[in-house]
Formats: sequence, C-alpha cells, structure tokens
Amino acid sequence: EAQVTQNPRYLITVTGKKLTVTCSQNMNHEYMSWYRQDPGLGLRQIYYSMNVEVTDKGDVPEGYKVSRKEKRNFPLILESPSPNQTSLYFCASSLSRTRDEQYFGPGTRLTVT
Amino acid sequence: TQLLEQSPQFLSIQEGENLTVYCNSSSVFSSLQWYRQEPGEGPVLLVTVVTGGEVKKLKRLTFQFGDARKDSSLHITAAQPGDTGLYLCAGDTGNQFYFGTGTSLTVIP
Repeated sequence: EAQVTQNPRYLITVTGKKLTVTCSQNMNHEYMSWYRQDPGLGLRQIYYSMNVEVTDKGDVPEGYKVSRKEKRNFPLILESPSPNQTSLYFCASSLSRTRDEQYFGPGTRLTVT
Repeated sequence: TQLLEQSPQFLSIQEGENLTVYCNSSSVFSSLQWYRQEPGEGPVLLVTVVTGGEVKKLKRLTFQFGDARKDSSLHITAAQPGDTGLYLCAGDTGNQFYFGTGTSLTVIP
C-alpha cells in the first residue's frame, strides 16, 4: 500500500531534550516536506527536499533541522525543543515539485513542556 | 501574515444546503490545490487547478480558479454529512506551497 508513515504519532517531552520524528514514503517520490499545523494558522511549511541531499527552508524553519540521505526517508530533528514547538506535525511527499498531489502522513502530535 | 486567507473559518449548515468557501490572496500562484482533512488524519487532495478561470467538478463539488490565479472557490451543492471536515486550499508559488487557514465545515443531518 502506497503510504507515508511517521513515528511517533504522539510525543510528550521536556524543553531542551533532543528529539527526532521519522518520516518514510514507499512511493519513490522525489519531493518531501514537513509542515506544522496550529489552530488559526493552518499548515505552515518547515523544510522541504527536492531530492536526495537537497533540502531547503520553508516558511518556519527556526529550531528545526532535516536531512535527506535516502530518497524514502526525511527525518525532522528538534535539537533543543521549546514549548512554542508544541504542534501537530505532518510529513508529505509528492512525485515532483509542482502540481502533483502531496500525500500526507498521519501526523505527529508533539507537546513540549 | 497569511499568504492565503480562507473564509469563512467555520461553517455549520443543514444537510441539503449549498455553500461556498473562498480562498483569497494578493499573490499569483502557478497552481492551486484543495484538500480535505478529517480529525486525526492528514489532508487528502481533492483537486488541482492550474489555468486562470479553470472550473473543475468532482460530483457535488465545484472548484474555480480565479482569472488572475490569485484566488479560488469551492462550491458544494446539496451538502451531505459525509462532507464534514476541514477544507484547505494550497497555492504553489513555484518555490513553496502555502496553505490557507482552513474552513471547518459541519453538515448537520
């Protein structure tokens, strides 16, 4: 089954404790991205990747890191999480950069205390 | 500042009624997508519009892209309870995707 998987689905952590949210797609998609969703603000793009070893900042990249060492994986790293990073995070992938359907993962709800 | 503004933010209607959701911007987009999101899940693509003035129909849903490619609308005819969800527009500037603030629709049986 074609899908985007994220882990963990739920995470509660404390300020400053490094964490990684994994994202994997099995559709051989070139384009992957991370979004955060907050009430009243919609989905905002954090980082995106056009292909392996190619990443770029989205709208709200501060406090986040990503890597794209393999085509299928695109982990999101929070080196020192802060409470303002409490949010619902989505990973998405698409065949190419423009006009193609973005397939979203199920989401990761992160709480930073 | 949101690049894409959606209105209304919340909409609660009776089954069988018609409704229109608007997605507006001052920026030009190379394409615009509409997604629907259910609680606990990621957004799912409904349609992509590319050409200014383009109209696409998906059963009871009609999507229109503005002539200047700055805005779009989603019209639902005879809404059903199964239409309940969060509707999101997303514009492609060529560099990034920008999502609208979303319209939460509830259709009451």
